Amino acid sequence: DQQVKQNSPSLSVQEGRISILNCDYTNSMFDYFLWYKKYPAEGPTFLISISSIKDKNEDGRFTVFLNKSAKHLSLHIVPSQPGDSAVYFCAASVESNFGNEKLTFGTGTRLTIIP
Amino acid sequence: DTEVTQTPKHLVMGMTNKKSLKCEQHMGHRAMYWYKQKAKKPPELMFVYSYEKLSINESVPSRFSPECPNSSLLNLHLHALQPEDSALYLCASSQEIVDRGNAQYFGPGTRLLVL
Repeated sequence: DQQVKQNSPSLSVQEGRISILNCDYTNSMFDYFLWYKKYPAEGPTFLISISSIKDKNEDGRFTVFLNKSAKHLSLHIVPSQPGDSAVYFCAASVESNFGNEKLTFGTGTRLTIIP
Repeated sequence: DTEVTQTPKHLVMGMTNKKSLKCEQHMGHRAMYWYKQKAKKPPELMFVYSYEKLSINESVPSRFSPECPNSSLLNLHLHALQPEDSALYLCASSQEIVDRGNAQYFGPGTRLLVL
């Protein structure tokens, strides 16, 4: 049962335009959401996160939007740059009994920025 | 400094071998994690250590044995692995939870091939 879903396996965007990556989740217990970027043969790199008490968080070119009623979040990258080409994973977490994060990852979206 | 280091980068082992993967962080993080990632799949949580104690074991076979010698180090001991255990093994760490929402920071991974 895939609790975090990224329905678009790939996305191509022109350089300078906005990239929008989407993520849906089913577990209403999730209360913290993160986006990671992954290059081949490297570990995921943390990009941005959002708590369920917020609906938007912005960090430079990256903005994450959360719609709790729809159980949907999105990552906006603007303007898109060639270095943004990577696989993007959405992740969700619920606090464990031990106070640490148990992350559930989506299946990833491969973003390609076209020069 | 948000660096998590992992050694070795690559490992080839036979099914009768015993080997260990190592992970190190010097960010003062008190939670450390092992993930397994197969090709074109999201990372899957294996183990979580919180304050050097094993807090989560996601029903991982006993041929994988984690160890946390101190707050900066995390090992994964491998014995009698199967070819299907070939994957990228990722280590991550995060701060203790004071406020919710501490991101996990990942190492570059160890790519393991079991022959």
